[in-house]
Amino acid sequence: EVQLVESGGGLVQPGRSLRLSCAASGFTFDDYAMHWVRQAPGKGLEWVSGISWNSGSIGYADSVKGRFTISRDNAKNSLYLQMNSLRAEDTALYYCAKDWFGELLGWFDPWGQGTLVTVSS
Amino acid sequence: QSALTQPASVSGSPGQSITISCTGTSSDVGGYNYVSWYQQHPGKAPKLMIYDVSNRPSGVSNRFSGSKSGNTASLTISGLQAEDEADYYCSSYTSSSTLYVVFGGGTKLTVL
Repeated sequence: EVQLVESGGGLVQPGRSLRLSCAASGFTFDDYAMHWVRQAPGKGLEWVSGISWNSGSIGYADSVKGRFTISRDNAKNSLYLQMNSLRAEDTALYYCAKDWFGELLGWFDPWGQGTLVTVSS
Repeated sequence: QSALTQPASVSGSPGQSITISCTGTSSDVGGYNYVSWYQQHPGKAPKLMIYDVSNRPSGVSNRFSGSKSGNTASLTISGLQAEDEADYYCSSYTSSSTLYVVFGGGTKLTVL
């Protein structure tokens, strides 16, 4: 069974940093692109960042470009999101999602259960 | 403001059919067949319902279908059931800037 488990969320002050992790199992991790998608409380889905199977293609939403860095460790079947200079508007549930292909296509299946990030003083 | 435009809400009675639209541009929906649709029940993670404009993943009911015309994609749910009540999101690959994916703002489906 394909499983994605996010961790690393929590309460953080504005301007501080946080690193999210996503542990993958049940599939050949290094065959697939991976993504982070977030959902602010009561709001819709927002694509945050994606990384291809070999880290050769990486993309970011304009809202996080220059502050967030996505990475992956295929040996550890893990995806990461380093979040710096956090803002109140970054408060959201952050989902890890697997793509259908090795390149960034945007067919997210499946999704993890999410990890909550709250940015507040 | 979301990159793709969806109606905020739609409703229908059990057994009826409804259609949710998703309008983008030639840089996303109109330019690629990489449109997908997601169902999200309250407190749950989204679930892929349609990919590649009109294909259903294994296990998804054939009451769900997708289509595209120009810059607008559509999700149709036939034979509405109570459990279809949820939020629905479209997404598309995009060639804009360094983005790769854009979502619609979401549509709340109410089964009357």
